[in-house]
Amino acid sequence: SQQGEEDPQALSIQEGENATMNCSYKTSINNLQWYRQNSGRGLVHLILIRSNEREKHSGRLRVTLDTSKKSSSLLITASRAADTASYFCATDGFNDYKLSFGAGTTVTVRA
Amino acid sequence: EPEVTQTPSHQVTQMGQEVILRCVPISNHLYFYWYRQILGQKVEFLVSFYNNEISEKSEIFDDQFSVERPDGSNFTLKIRSTKLEDSAMYFCASRKDGGSSYEQYFGPGTRLTVT
Repeated sequence: SQQGEEDPQALSIQEGENATMNCSYKTSINNLQWYRQNSGRGLVHLILIRSNEREKHSGRLRVTLDTSKKSSSLLITASRAADTASYFCATDGFNDYKLSFGAGTTVTVRA
Repeated sequence: EPEVTQTPSHQVTQMGQEVILRCVPISNHLYFYWYRQILGQKVEFLVSFYNNEISEKSEIFDDQFSVERPDGSNFTLKIRSTKLEDSAMYFCASRKDGGSSYEQYFGPGTRLTVT
């Protein structure tokens, strides 16, 4: 299984602080994507990092990928209350592009 | 910005009834997917669809499930005889053609409640 597993399961931070969450997976991947899900809502695509990339930025998001350790991290800088959500990593393989999701990290940003 | 849409947002049905969940993928996308998320659990892949046929399906996607692209815009998931355990959030997703476009964009989901 290529399922990603996020760590920690839950994270509570103060507004303005940074939030870091990690994702580990089991087999070789083609891409790794991060998604945000507000409670009971849809999945919003945040960022994709390819297996030959090591780091990627998008606004306040920074994603790293270490294929030797089969892990990725998502950093949200200067968090805001609106960042309160669950964050999922999802991996796909080389021959198919179906996504395997982790269980997610629930982030609560306190005002 | 183009987005994936899904209808209905919430569907309540009785066990044994047929349901059809509808999706309109992003217009220039060619790969389509259905996923589901049982409350409190991971998002699970159900089926992928390309060039008017299923390209891959999971163990969950048994004979009770079918997908169709009846016209140039809609993509549907049919569950023939719903069971209590089919209660979940169902997400449609789409992706551009291969090459360098691997991002999958998800719709807002249909919450299916089977009673």
